[in-house]
Amino acid sequence: DAGVIQSPRHEVTEMGQEVTLRCKPISGHNSLFWYRQTMMRGLELLIYFNNNVPIDDSGMPEDRFSAKMPNASFSTLKIQPSEPRDSAVYFCASSRKGSSTGELFFGEGSRLTVL
Amino acid sequence: GESVGLHLPTLSVQEGDNSIINCAYSNSASDYFIWYKQESGKGPQFIIDIRSNMDKRQGQRVTVLLNKTVKHLSLQIAATQPGDSAVYFCAGGQGAQKLVFGQGTRLTINP
Repeated sequence: DAGVIQSPRHEVTEMGQEVTLRCKPISGHNSLFWYRQTMMRGLELLIYFNNNVPIDDSGMPEDRFSAKMPNASFSTLKIQPSEPRDSAVYFCASSRKGSSTGELFFGEGSRLTVL
Repeated sequence: GESVGLHLPTLSVQEGDNSIINCAYSNSASDYFIWYKQESGKGPQFIIDIRSNMDKRQGQRVTVLLNKTVKHLSLQIAATQPGDSAVYFCAGGQGAQKLVFGQGTRLTINP
């Protein structure tokens, strides 16, 4: 079975550029989560969707960050303009809301470096 | 809000020994806890979870213990193997949708 698929795996960009990270959740999962991981702050929840609807975006750092989920099989996280402090690994995860466990299935992450 | 922390950032054990990784949480209203394992260059992988109506749950070679009185949980790994080398995260929250993750403990297995 295909897991959560993220792209790109690595991105190096210059400050001020727009960055778009992409995620395909596991088929049949109706919850999708975006996390950011840094050495200093660990894993932080940025936003999550249930049935394509954003439920909680309180973790989104600032207006430069936006996330969309136009359909059940695709989501994007956009940073515009990017800054060096946005450098991190961004994980997408999906789960089946209402399942007996809260297990999140994580993708392999997108490592972003902003110069 | 919730904060979740681990007592030790690193842990070294001998292959074959048992490992115990500890975690503390702050919000007494948290009712769901989960342990993840993250290998280098990969995303976190689910190990085991526990709800607040339980004190103990066992999986294959792993046991999670929850002490609600002192807001502490631990992950025990029996007969540690080289493949267990990874960073282990605990996470907790009210329900499973908005988990707060701890900083992680790096487990190193010595041959």
